[in-house]
Amino acid sequence: NAGVTQTPKFQVLKTGQSMTLQCAQDMNHNSMYWYRQDPGMGLRLIYYSASEGTTDKGEVPNGYNVSRLNKREFSLRLESAAPSQTSVYFCASSEAWRGSSYEQYFGPGTRLTVT
Amino acid sequence: KNQVEQSPQSLIILEGKNCTLQCNYTVSPFSNLRWYKQDTGRGPVSLTIMTFSENTKSNGRYTATLDADTKQSSLHITASQLSDSASYICVVSSIGAGNMLTFGGGTRLMVKP
Repeated sequence: NAGVTQTPKFQVLKTGQSMTLQCAQDMNHNSMYWYRQDPGMGLRLIYYSASEGTTDKGEVPNGYNVSRLNKREFSLRLESAAPSQTSVYFCASSEAWRGSSYEQYFGPGTRLTVT
Repeated sequence: KNQVEQSPQSLIILEGKNCTLQCNYTVSPFSNLRWYKQDTGRGPVSLTIMTFSENTKSNGRYTATLDADTKQSSLHITASQLSDSASYICVVSSIGAGNMLTFGGGTRLMVKP
């Protein structure tokens, strides 16, 4: 099992460019998440997908869009990148959305720099 | 607003020594508290999950404690190893918010030989 995989690992964009971050999980999990991690701050939820076919905004959704392509894959798109979006992006998955103790499994992250 | 505060921000200890990391939270209503280990350049990996009724949980050399009354948790690392060098993140889950998690900023631990 690869767990949660993310591509690319590193990316440099110029302001205004667009890109899509890819995430896939092989654990047959129903729920998937996108987070960003900035220095000195806790991870913040951008968007989540409670189940296949549904997506919802998290704490910091502005400037991002997501697609739950199928049960395995959840992509994050930056339509017009801004320097404030320079961050490390993590994808995560869990068995289910509801329930207090479902573990979230994280991917290795994508380091994005916007110049 | 739900918040999780961790201290210290960073810590250096010698290999073989013990250390304790602290976490205070104001998340309500409380569901569970998790400790994650994040190696440099990697995603967080779960160490422990504790519910309201649990006040101690161990995972090898890692022991987490929870005081739900004072809303405090600690992570104790025994006989530290070089491989313990990482960031340790305290995360609190809130009932009624599905699986929404509030993350602390982490404690960066460096273990020196």
